Amino acid sequence: DIVMTQSPDSLAVSLGERATINCKSSQSVLYSSNNKNYLAWYQQKPGQPPKLLIYWASTRESGVPDRFSGSGSGTDFTLTISSLQTEDVAVYYCQQYYTTPMYTFGQGTKLEIK
Amino acid sequence: QVQLQESGPGLVKPSETLSLTCTVSGGSISPYYWSWIRQPPGKGLEWIAFIYYTGTTKYNPSLKSRVTISVDTSKNQFSLNLNSVTAADTAVYYCARHSTGTGAFHFWGQGTMVTVSS
Repeated sequence: DIVMTQSPDSLAVSLGERATINCKSSQSVLYSSNNKNYLAWYQQKPGQPPKLLIYWASTRESGVPDRFSGSGSGTDFTLTISSLQTEDVAVYYCQQYYTTPMYTFGQGTKLEIK
Repeated sequence: QVQLQESGPGLVKPSETLSLTCTVSGGSISPYYWSWIRQPPGKGLEWIAFIYYTGTTKYNPSLKSRVTISVDTSKNQFSLNLNSVTAADTAVYYCARHSTGTGAFHFWGQGTMVTVSS
């Protein structure tokens, strides 16, 4: 199984500042034949289902604010929120969909306002 | 806009079978992939299984011996059965639709809490 490890487990950032969440996979999720990274990011607020933010490691889902961006390749990935807003307080998860049938998620990173 | 709604018992006894249904509205079951994902209280997400509208299935190897997923295209529904449940199966169960051509989950149901207890 591919193990996804996020860092940090929790993060406090001031409003308007940059937030950075890291995700490392135990093996590469880059598929060489199409040069795509099989990696997604989700946002989950209390009492709600996760919301897809980013797929293919850097493609923003329709309707997601452009302050959210994804980067990285192979085994190391980053979700960046360029200017933190109050509504961004949530838990963030990365997920690999490289291996079927065993999609796996990171443990989550809790983002709070400093 | 596609909407998903989970339904089923909120309480299941140990050793019995957990059965849930996901009803899809605002869109068709075809030609998409559909998954079940669960989240124990206060914990992270675990993918359980997916099904294609044709009936092709894939299961999480750690649960495969206990899980069955099925689809009813006439009712625009798909279902999950998890047998021999224990307290470790207590979780919020979500149904979700895959983003086209990917294993990312685009649309999610609100989730249903299932508690395993006698």
